[in-house]
This record gives sequence, structure tokens and C-alpha cells, in this order.
Amino acid sequence: GDSVTQTEGPVTVSESESLIINCTYSATSIAYPNLFWYVRYPGEGLQLLLKVITAGQKGSSRGFEATYNKETTSFHLQKASVQESDSAVYYCALGDQGGSAKLIFGEGTKLTVSS
Amino acid sequence: NSKVIQTPRYLVKGQGQKAKMRCIPEKGHPVVFWYQQNKNNEFKFLINFQNQEVLQQIDMTEKRFSAECPSNSPCSLEIQSSEAGDSALYLCASSLGGRNTLYFGAGTRLSVL
Repeated sequence: GDSVTQTEGPVTVSESESLIINCTYSATSIAYPNLFWYVRYPGEGLQLLLKVITAGQKGSSRGFEATYNKETTSFHLQKASVQESDSAVYYCALGDQGGSAKLIFGEGTKLTVSS
Repeated sequence: NSKVIQTPRYLVKGQGQKAKMRCIPEKGHPVVFWYQQNKNNEFKFLINFQNQEVLQQIDMTEKRFSAECPSNSPCSLEIQSSEAGDSALYLCASSLGGRNTLYFGAGTRLSVL
């Protein structure tokens, strides 16, 4: 079936250090997957961080980057230098390009950035 | 910030009671989704609508769960007879459809005692 697996949290990183949160997907019923990273900051709702709909392309937002790698079925989230304000729960998600665009989410990775 | 409005933020019910939550999608978004997020952070898709029509729903939804998105009224998700296992965060999202982004509300946290 279709599924998403991401780095098991919680993850703690010191401020200004680099970050990578792994995400791999299985898209057996989706011919052209779209890939997303959503984030939930403390006390806030789930919001889109970045999305990529074409294999081989890179998405970026707020200093975060993720490259859609069809060969390794991965969409890892990276940031060169994290800030305390990046502390949040990050969710990788997989979607279909079709009409309903239902998303399949990973289990989330809680990131704490320490000062 | 998302313009998807969910009410109430918190809902406490006894087992067997009816639980109803509402969602106002972002203006102009014809597609509405309901997800359940459990205490392990796992998302479960429940149902989605395009305008007032159901697009997809899971088997669980067909039994104790019901949902609708009437025109000119908030969408709603109702659990006819709540069970302890229904305790979760219920998320509503809306979208323009297709490849477009889902925009989520803050959620309704249901506790079934």
C-alpha cells in the first residue's frame, strides 16, 4: 500500500547546527506522487512548509530544503543551521495528483532546538 | 495563517453520547477533508467532499460516523455513539482540489470519558 516513514523522534539539535529528518515513501497505487512537509509549531495548527510535485525537483522554505528522489523514494528535510524557533513537529506526506488529493502522513518527528 | 475554522476546540463526551464538530473551509475551496489524529500522532483519513458530494470515505465512517457539507453552512462531522477509542484530534482541511495544498484548521480535540 501507500505509506510514509520518517525519522523517529524526538530529535534534539543545538541552535546553529545542521538538521536532517529522513522521509521515505511507498506509492504503490499513485503513479505520480506529490510530496509535502507540514509543520505544527507549539500551540498552532498544521501548516504547509514545502511541497514538490515533480521528481528530481527541490522545494525550499524558511531555510528548509527537500529534494524529491524517485530512485530512492525519499524526501528528506534538511536545514543547514537551525534556530530555536524551528522547534516543532514535522510531518512528511504523500499525495496523489488526482482530484481528491488525499494525503497520507508519516508519524511525525518532534524537533527540539536547544539554545 | 490558515482560514479554516473548526469549532469547538475541545469536546468532552461520555461513552455512548453524540459528538458533533464543525468546520468552515477556506473561502472558495470546494474540497473538504476530515482526518483523525490519534495519541500516537497517526493520521487517519475519514472522508472528503467536493462541494456537497462525498468523494471518498473509509469503512469506519460509514458506521458510527456521519459527515456533511451543506451549501451555505459549515461542514460537520458527527459521531453517533462515542467510544473511548474515538478520543483524538479531528482535523478539517480544505483545498482547491487536484494538486493544491491542503489547508488545515486547528482541530477539535475530542475526549471520550
